[in-house]
Amino acid sequence: SQELEQSPQSLIVQEGKNLTINCTSSKTLYGLYWYKQKYGEGLIFLMMLQKGGEEKSHEKITAKLDEKKQQSSLHITASQPSHAGIYLCGAVYSGTYKYIFGTGTRLKVLA
Amino acid sequence: DSGVTQTPKHLITATGQRVTLRCSPRSGDLSVYWYQQSLDQGLQFLIQYYNGEERAKGNILERFSAQQFPDLHSELNLSSLELGDSALYFCASSVELQGGGEQYFGPGTRLTVT
Repeated sequence: SQELEQSPQSLIVQEGKNLTINCTSSKTLYGLYWYKQKYGEGLIFLMMLQKGGEEKSHEKITAKLDEKKQQSSLHITASQPSHAGIYLCGAVYSGTYKYIFGTGTRLKVLA
Repeated sequence: DSGVTQTPKHLITATGQRVTLRCSPRSGDLSVYWYQQSLDQGLQFLIQYYNGEERAKGNILERFSAQQFPDLHSELNLSSLELGDSALYFCASSVELQGGGEQYFGPGTRLTVT
């Protein structure tokens, strides 16, 4: 089973709608990272969360890490076609240098 | 542009062959990471180097090897290639030693094994 599970796997929304993507870890996170990938291209870093309860925003994207540091949510407000792509959460666990990525959420925004 | 370069962009080769993928990290970044992305496995961490030394290993096959040179560029060698090795291979770099923090990804090398 995956250490980092994302939901939903895919999402189609109408332009202007809000949406949320979740990332759940099977164990306590040392750090949680959100990336965006355009199809067939490299990943682009969005945000990093390390403290339980932390919330960060970048333009219309907000990410939160829950108090227990085992789940994060990414929220997009008033979605635009430019938000389309694959969103991946990544994590590092205490005591390891290994970087684990979630299964990814494919987002399509209809104009 | 992330500042990380990867060559070649595309590679088509036959089963049983050996290929070398090259990565140049962002200026000032000492850590280099290699990842494999395929439709069925998602994005898998392969290996990390920091300032020339191996720091962490992920799901890297024994047929694969990597190294980081004194000028900090890195190469990923894939040998005895199988059809299942067809994937996008990404290199990323960061300033940090630990496998955390912001990573900058290259555009990837698309490997097709026929």
